[in-house]
Amino acid sequence: DAKTTQPNSMESNEEEPVHLPCNHSTISGTDYIHWYRQLPSQGPEYVIHGLTSNVNNRMASLAIAEDRKSSTLILHRATLRDAAVYYCILTYGGATNKLIFGTGTLLAVQP
Amino acid sequence: NAGVTQTPKFRILKIGQSMTLQCTQDMNHNYMYWYRQDPGMGLKLIYYSVGAGITDKGEVPNGYNVSRSTTEDFPLRLELAAPSQTSVYFCASSSWASRNEQYFGPGTRLTVT
Repeated sequence: DAKTTQPNSMESNEEEPVHLPCNHSTISGTDYIHWYRQLPSQGPEYVIHGLTSNVNNRMASLAIAEDRKSSTLILHRATLRDAAVYYCILTYGGATNKLIFGTGTLLAVQP
Repeated sequence: NAGVTQTPKFRILKIGQSMTLQCTQDMNHNYMYWYRQDPGMGLKLIYYSVGAGITDKGEVPNGYNVSRSTTEDFPLRLELAAPSQTSVYFCASSSWASRNEQYFGPGTRLTVT
């Protein structure tokens, strides 16, 4: 399975944009890029996913490099509620969509 | 919709005991998954199911068993509990049409002593 590399931790100020990077240099053509987040003492929560094109939804934006070897999750205006561990995950584009979690990036948001 | 529900929330087992972790979803999802999360680590897939009667192993299946007799329920059985199975267990589900989006339950915190 292809691996992802993320910084262990990042800090942001409330109401500022946050760019969370992820490297996945061994990604294959059929791997989807997923982002999940996990708030303290909760189960993970889906954020966004994409294959080749940039994606936007109500929670965030996903910017995918042209060679697909890296991607960036963008939170447009961080709130205190966005403090969580963010996981960048690749899944094979098959039927089962098994998620292989790494250790993620712990995002701290300062008021 | 209640989404994905898990019971119990907490449990302490003695070494060698057995138990079943319950997971139910009310979204009519085809896919269901069991993960475990050790302290400070990401989640690891134990077992998954693509529909009633069909299950398959994930990354760390040893020491666990599953069954899927209905669409809604996906229980996880621990036989002969060991301290290495101390962890937080999460159940998740997804639909075939939106299988990139998994919905997770609140988790079961299990301690084996």
